[in-house]
Amino acid sequence: QVRLVESGGGVVQPGRSLRLSCAASGFTFSSYTLHWVRQAPGKGLEWVAVLSFDGSHKYYADSVKGRFTISRDNSKNTLYLQMNSLTAEDTAVYFCARGISGGSFDNWGQGTLITVSS
Amino acid sequence: SYVLTQPPSVSVAPGETAKITCGGNNIGSKSVHWYQQRPGQAPVLVIYYDTDRPSGIPERFSGSNSGNTATLTISRVEAGDEADYYCQVWDSNSDHYVFGTGTKVTVL
Repeated sequence: QVRLVESGGGVVQPGRSLRLSCAASGFTFSSYTLHWVRQAPGKGLEWVAVLSFDGSHKYYADSVKGRFTISRDNSKNTLYLQMNSLTAEDTAVYFCARGISGGSFDNWGQGTLITVSS
Repeated sequence: SYVLTQPPSVSVAPGETAKITCGGNNIGSKSVHWYQQRPGQAPVLVIYYDTDRPSGIPERFSGSNSGNTATLTISRVEAGDEADYYCQVWDSNSDHYVFGTGTKVTVL
């Protein structure tokens, strides 16, 4: 079955960087668009970034553009999110999700918590 | 940027029908997807392409979309349906993906 497992979360100081990983299994990784979605404590879902199956197209939410970079290694079945210049507003659970036609997300990981605090 | 508005909460008795709305400018021209999120868990896709159900989702979940409002309907509500529900679309103008504000469904 499809499995997405995020890692790399933790506590980080404001202004520092962090890289998240999402290890995938159970499907042909290189055929799918992948996303990062986040959820601040007690808040709703916020889409963060998307990367096409071959890495040729990527888009970012305005709130992270210029600070975050999404990438993938299809040989390792892994999605990444490089997060720079972190602020308290980036504190959230970060989910990776598989994208399917029509723009929906049909499978999600369990998420990894990032806390930005001094 | 495109905005999707949902009521913060909906309360429903067991066995009754819950309707959750999702308002957006001309949302009827877009494909709307719905997610269920129980506390402490990842979201689960329950409706895609306005009306389609992924395998494993009960027929009690249905969707519609027209004009400026999309609706998720949960028939014969059960205690296990208590969760947060989010609508979502892809905004082709910006290539951004947008989630609604979320609705907490409480089963009385």
